[in-house]
Amino acid sequence: NAGVTQTPKFRVLKTGQSMTLLCAQDMNHEYMYWYRQDPGMGLRLIHYSVGEGTTAKGEVPDGYNVSRLKKQNFLLGLESAAPSQTSVYFCASNPGGNYGYTFGSGTRLTVV
Amino acid sequence: AQSVTQLDSQVPVFEEAPVELRCNYSSSVSVYLFWYVQYPNQGLQLLLKYLSGSTLVKGINGFEAEFNKSQTSFHLRKPSVHISDTAEYFCAVSVTSSYKLIFGSGTRLLVRP
Repeated sequence: NAGVTQTPKFRVLKTGQSMTLLCAQDMNHEYMYWYRQDPGMGLRLIHYSVGEGTTAKGEVPDGYNVSRLKKQNFLLGLESAAPSQTSVYFCASNPGGNYGYTFGSGTRLTVV
Repeated sequence: AQSVTQLDSQVPVFEEAPVELRCNYSSSVSVYLFWYVQYPNQGLQLLLKYLSGSTLVKGINGFEAEFNKSQTSFHLRKPSVHISDTAEYFCAVSVTSSYKLIFGSGTRLLVRP
């Protein structure tokens, strides 16, 4: 029972490079989310999806893009990384309703 | 819009002492309330949630929280903490018609022997 799996777990990027973070869930959940966690700021919602083929902006969407081509996967892309995007990124999923969210273990991204 | 305030960024406490972590929220509509715990270098785990019904909610690891609508609060309590409770605790709110969680800034609980 894997739950929510995030890859990679760590990554160092140079300013201007691009990358994609992958989130995969095996619980058949409809809703998926990408958050970033920064010291003293809690978790802030970047983008989310309410089902396969849908995406929507959260609180801090600038500089990120997402795609949900398959129900079980939610990809977060950085087209041109900036130092301000240094953060820990968490993916979460939810079956719908408010039964609780399942979080992945995070991706620590450093942009130099 | 909804918001969550956790006034205490860090709470130091001795082992076996009681603890209360404070959470206040702001919303013009009904909300669901959650507490999550994050152990070092890990993701978030659900401690407890309030959806409706009894305002006193019991969660895992001996934690409980009380929903107070008039004071718009959802404080987390534990009567006797252990070293293993050292972690960061996040309060979160979700509007009943939405499935987006809005988080507070977190409170680091530091349990000392």
